[in-house]
Amino acid sequence: DVKVTQSSRYLVKRTGEKVFLECVQDMDHENMFWYRQDPGLGLRLIYFSYDVKMKEKGDIPEGYSVSREKKERFSLILESASTNQTSMYLCASSVIQDEAFFGQGTRLTVV
Amino acid sequence: GNSVTQMEGPVTLSEEAFLTINCTYTATGYPSLFWYVQYPGEGLQLLLKATKADDKGSNKGFEATYRKETTSFHLEKGSVQVSDSAVYFCASYSGAGSYQLTFGKGTKLSVIP
Repeated sequence: DVKVTQSSRYLVKRTGEKVFLECVQDMDHENMFWYRQDPGLGLRLIYFSYDVKMKEKGDIPEGYSVSREKKERFSLILESASTNQTSMYLCASSVIQDEAFFGQGTRLTVV
Repeated sequence: GNSVTQMEGPVTLSEEAFLTINCTYTATGYPSLFWYVQYPGEGLQLLLKATKADDKGSNKGFEATYRKETTSFHLEKGSVQVSDSAVYFCASYSGAGSYQLTFGKGTKLSVIP
C-alpha cells in the first residue's frame, strides 16, 4: 500500500520558533509537494520539488523554506513561526503528471 | 501561472438528486486533470482523473470529461447518496510536462435524506 507519512498529526508552537515539518514517501516518486489547507481557501501550494536538492516556489512561499536531501524525504521549515501560519499542512508525492498521494496532514497551531 | 476555478459552495442536495460541480482551468497544453474528495475527518483521496482531451474519468458513479475547447472538467453524478457528503477539489497540473499541481478552493457537498 502506498504511503506518505507526516511526522506529526498535531503540533503547537510558539511565535518566533523555528518549526520543522517532515514528510516521507515510500513510492520512489520524484515529485513532492507541501500545501496548506484553510477553510474557504482550499489547498494552496507552498513549495514543490521534482528531484533531490531541487525546489520550486508555489503560490505562497513567503515565510517558508524546504529541504530535500533524499528522494523520499521532503521537509517544510517555518523560519520564525507566526500566528498566521496556523493551518493544516499537507504533504503529497507523485510521478509527473499523475495522481498525487497525500499524507494525513499536520495541524499546526502557533500561539 | 495556472489557476483552477470551481463552483462555490456549499451545495445541499436531496438524496437521489443530480449533481454537477463546475471546474475550469487556465493551464496551457494538455495537463492531467483530477477530482479529489475529502470525507469528514479524513485525508484527500483521488476520485477520478483524465489525462488527455475527451477522456472521461469515472469512479463510484461520478464522471468528468476533459473538455479542451472549454478548458473544463465538470464533475457529475446522476443520483447522489448521503454518503457522498464531502468536500470535492478539482486539480490541474500547470501544463503538459509541468510538475506543479494546483487545486481549486473546494466545494462542500451535503446530501440530506
